[in-house]
Amino acid sequence: GAVVSQHPSWVICKSGTSVKIECRSLDFQATTMFWYRQFPKQSLMLMATSNEGSKATYEQGVEKDKFLINHASLTLSTLTVTSAHPEDSSFYICSAPRDSNYGYTFGSGTRLTVV
Amino acid sequence: RKEVEQDPGPFNVPEGATVAFNCTYSNSASQSFFWYRQDCRKEPKLLMSVYSSGNEDGRFTAQLNRASQYISLLIRDSKLSDSATYLCVVNRGSGNMLTFGGGTRLMVKP
Repeated sequence: GAVVSQHPSWVICKSGTSVKIECRSLDFQATTMFWYRQFPKQSLMLMATSNEGSKATYEQGVEKDKFLINHASLTLSTLTVTSAHPEDSSFYICSAPRDSNYGYTFGSGTRLTVV
Repeated sequence: RKEVEQDPGPFNVPEGATVAFNCTYSNSASQSFFWYRQDCRKEPKLLMSVYSSGNEDGRFTAQLNRASQYISLLIRDSKLSDSATYLCVVNRGSGNMLTFGGGTRLMVKP
C-alpha cells in the first residue's frame, strides 16, 4: 500500500520550454508532498513542500516563480519547471509522509534533461 | 556544518564481509531517524527506521546514539545485491520534513 505514482519517468526538453511533473497518491490521501532534486553524485535536496489547498513553502534559494507547485487535491501534486535551462537538468522526486514508523513514500522520480 | 553527514565512500567489500556506516546529525531536536537505500537512478527505498534502543532486521542492525548524535548501520554477510547507496535520513525536529545525508556508496564484490 501507500504508493505514489510519479510521471513522466524521464523527459527531454528544449531550453525555454516548461515541463510538468505529476505525483499522485494512489491509495491514500497526501495532504503534504515534498519535492526534491538530486544532482549526480549528490544528496536529495528539498526544494519545496506543498500542502493541499494552500501555497507551497519553498526552501531558501529555490525560485518559486520558476518551480511552480500546485497541490489542488489530496491525491495530486504537480511541479512545473518553467523556462527550463540546461542547469535545471536533474532528478526530481516527490515524497509523501506516512507515519513515524514507516517513513515516507517516494515517487519513482523524473529525470529531466534540458538541451 | 551539514545537517546530516556521511562518509561518501565508496566502501568496497567482498561478499560475506561485515560493513558499518556511520552518520552524524546536527539538530538535537530530531526525533525520527531512518536508513534508506538508493540504487542508481532510482528512488530511495526505506531500509529501516532507527529506534533509540537499536533494532535489527535480518542482516541489518541500526543503532542510535542521541548523546553523540550519530546513527549507525551494520550489514552482516554482505551480498552482491547490497551494492547501493545508503542514505541516512533525519527529520528536522518539527513537522515532517526530512534531511538527507549525502549517502554512502557500498560496492560488494564477488
